Amino acid sequence: GEDVEQSLFLSVREGDSSVINCTYTDSSSTYLYWYKQEPGAGLQLLTYIFSNMDMKQDQRLTVLLNKKDKHLSLRIADTQTGDSAIYFCAEMTTDSWGKLQFGAGTQVVVTP
Amino acid sequence: GAVVSQHPSWVICKSGTSVKIECRSLDFQATTMFWYRQFPKQSLMLMATSNEGSKATYEQGVEKDKFLINHASLTLSTLTVTSAHPEDSSFYICSASPWDKDQPQHFGDGTRLSIL
Repeated sequence: GEDVEQSLFLSVREGDSSVINCTYTDSSSTYLYWYKQEPGAGLQLLTYIFSNMDMKQDQRLTVLLNKKDKHLSLRIADTQTGDSAIYFCAEMTTDSWGKLQFGAGTQVVVTP
Repeated sequence: GAVVSQHPSWVICKSGTSVKIECRSLDFQATTMFWYRQFPKQSLMLMATSNEGSKATYEQGVEKDKFLINHASLTLSTLTVTSAHPEDSSFYICSASPWDKDQPQHFGDGTRLSIL
């Protein structure tokens, strides 16, 4: 199975907070990333966190990392229709320096 | 932020044609570039890792002779799909990584390849 797992779909109302979850299995993760992909486009780096951090906040985005449970989450505050996209969680490990292992992606649909 | 340019964004060609896709890092030197393939509604599948000045490292199951990769400079890598067939139709995405691996990869906008 995949080393990085995400739920496949999330529906959220405009103005609410979205929380996208990700779990990983490799304890040698160094960095964990969140990328956003809109239809027909490449991946846009949203944020990333070093494995020795627990939390990182950047404007509307908050990343939480629970190393014990190997769980990563991305919270989007005040979700807007422009946030509708696919969100990929990815990890980089010490033994595959530079290579990213991606989750399957979570499709987020924001409804008015 | 860092910018990676990928060209062309969309190409349609006849079966048997070879197609070259370019990936350029515009504002940083990319010692490593990665080439991915993405099928509809699926995640990215790493095809190969390209290091400047050396041969690319291909993932298991990826045909080296079908997907030729050249990384001739610190800002440019190319992927050539040789003698393309309909089953090669896909969305191809490149990413560029600076020398400092503490800095994240940045992705191009992808190339939609359609082989008739």
